[in-house]
Amino acid sequence: DQQVKQNSPSLSVQEGRISILNCDYTNSMFDYFLWYKKYPAEGPTFLISISSIKDKNEDGRFTVFLNKSAKHLSLHIVPSQPGDSAVYFCAALISNFGNEKLTFGTGTRLTIIP
Amino acid sequence: GAGVSQSPSNKVTEKGKDVELRCDPISGHTALYWYRQSLGQGLEFLIYFQGNSAPDKSGLPSDRFSAERTGGSVSTLTIQRTQQEDSAVYLCASSLDILGTEAFFGQGTRLTVV
Repeated sequence: DQQVKQNSPSLSVQEGRISILNCDYTNSMFDYFLWYKKYPAEGPTFLISISSIKDKNEDGRFTVFLNKSAKHLSLHIVPSQPGDSAVYFCAALISNFGNEKLTFGTGTRLTIIP
Repeated sequence: GAGVSQSPSNKVTEKGKDVELRCDPISGHTALYWYRQSLGQGLEFLIYFQGNSAPDKSGLPSDRFSAERTGGSVSTLTIQRTQQEDSAVYLCASSLDILGTEAFFGQGTRLTVV
């Protein structure tokens, strides 16, 4: 049962344009969401997060939007740069003490075309 | 060390042999997580430690998998009688505490069972 879903395995975007990566979840108990970026042969690195009490969090070129009613979040990268080419994982957790477990999506491979 | 360190980085083993994977978390991080990434799959949660205890072992795929953590620091993931389906990248992550939602990942151990 895939509780966090990234339905697009890959995405190609022209350099300078906006990249939008989508993520859907099924467990309404999730209250904290994160995006991780992974380059080949490296471990994932934390990118940006959002609490369920917010609907938007912005950090430089990266913005995460959360739509709780739709159980959907998205990551926007504006403007997209060649160095953004990587696999992006969406993750979610229930932030009860002692019950923290990151649940990951299967990832979306983003390719920025120069 | 500055980051999460995993060893070995690559391991090729014969089917039926036991393997031990090691993770050195960031100093001072009390929470430690093990994940597995199989080819074409997302990150699969295996187990987490808060200090030396592992409250949630439900993610371990079978009783051939076990993990321990000593001194609140180094953790080892042991796979007994390895099978070909165990081939994957095993990732370790640590965070400041169980509520620390920013987990820092190691480079991973690529395990190949032949």
